[in-house]
This record gives sequence, structure tokens and C-alpha cells, in this order.
Amino acid sequence: EPEVTQTPSHQVTQMGQEVILRCVPISNHLYFYWYRQILGQKVEFLVSFYNNEISEKSEIFDDQFSVERPDGSNFTLKIRSTKLEDSAMYFCASSEGRGDVEGYTFGSGTRLTVV
Amino acid sequence: AQSVTQPDIHITVSEGASLELRCNYSYGATPYLFWYVQSPGQGLQLLLKYFSGDTLVQGIKGFEAEFKRSQSSFNLRKPSVHWSDAAEYFCAVAAASGGSYIPTFGRGTSLIVHP
Repeated sequence: EPEVTQTPSHQVTQMGQEVILRCVPISNHLYFYWYRQILGQKVEFLVSFYNNEISEKSEIFDDQFSVERPDGSNFTLKIRSTKLEDSAMYFCASSEGRGDVEGYTFGSGTRLTVV
Repeated sequence: AQSVTQPDIHITVSEGASLELRCNYSYGATPYLFWYVQSPGQGLQLLLKYFSGDTLVQGIKGFEAEFKRSQSSFNLRKPSVHWSDAAEYFCAVAAASGGSYIPTFGRGTSLIVHP
């Protein structure tokens, strides 16, 4: 069964450093998403991406964050200067179409710890 | 905007006992409703979904959920819990029309299974 793959599974970084979280969506999917889950809190939508541009973003997705599809397979989330409160589990998801909620597939997540 | 409430942070049951996890949603029209499960170190796996039609939906792993419009609820049930069901369970809602098609998640319910 097709999977969304995220790397690394765990990352520890020092406050103020830049981090890049990587995702490989399902190959025929066209819409890509990032979510985060702070420990003990709900899964929160960050951003959606289609046709090489952001299609929706939440209030959380401020100037510290950026997304990119640098090649035909990877979808990345960059945090420019990490803060302690960026520590969370970050999930990537992809879907075939914009309204394809049924086809939403999540990766296993990257646990980011900022120290 | 849609929202989801999972009132129980933790639920503890004995193996073999029945289970009900509560989910209430807020949305002005008929929503799309989902239950996801997250096992430790794993991604979010779709258990079941409701789009329309029969309000009692069957999912994987022996789970079912019932959509009750009058109560704005979509509770997850299982008649006999297995130790392997211990995980985090998330309810999510997406707009069927208008609003945001991007799923909004509840904060999750952690299921603990005692032998």
C-alpha cells in the first residue's frame, strides 16, 4: 500500500537553529499538507501546498515557516530559527485532489525537540 | 469554522470490555467525520469515516461509529477491546460543502488497556 514517508523520525536541534523536515508524498498525489501536534494537544493544520504554491495556511504558519517541493518527490517544511515552543510532532499528509478527504494519507511523523 | 471536542483525555478499559470514545463536532451543515488511530511511533491511520447515508459506519479492526445529527456526535465503539487497541484516537471533521475541506482534529483520547 502506498505510504507517505517522513524523515527523520526524531530530530533534536538547538534553539535558533534552522531545521528542515522532509516528506515523500504518495507519487500520484497532488496536494500536500503539514500538521503539527504539540505534546498533549490536538493535531493542528499548518499549511497546504498545490502546484508549487501555498493554497491555505493557518495562523500558526508564520514567517518562521516555509515549504518547498525542491524536486519531483520531496516536500519539505523549514523552520528558520527554531524556538522551544516549536517542539512537537510534525505530520506530513498528501491527497490526490483538493477535496479528497477520503484519500488523505498521513506519514508517521517527525518528532522535533528544540533544546 | 468547524471544530471537534473529545471530552475524554484518557480512557482505561480491561481487555475484553466494550469501549466507547466520545466525539462532538461543531459545523453548520452535514460534515465529513473521521476517526484516526495513532499507535506509538506510527502515523495517523484512518479507522473509519462518515460522508453520507447509513449513520452507523463500520471500520477496520472491529470498530464502528454512529453519526447522530441531533447530538452533533460521532462516537467510536468496539464491543470487545484487545490489548493491541491501546493507542491515541483522534476524531476529525471536514466540511462537506463550503467551509474548509481540510480536516480539523480533536485533541485525542488515549486508550489504556488493562490485561
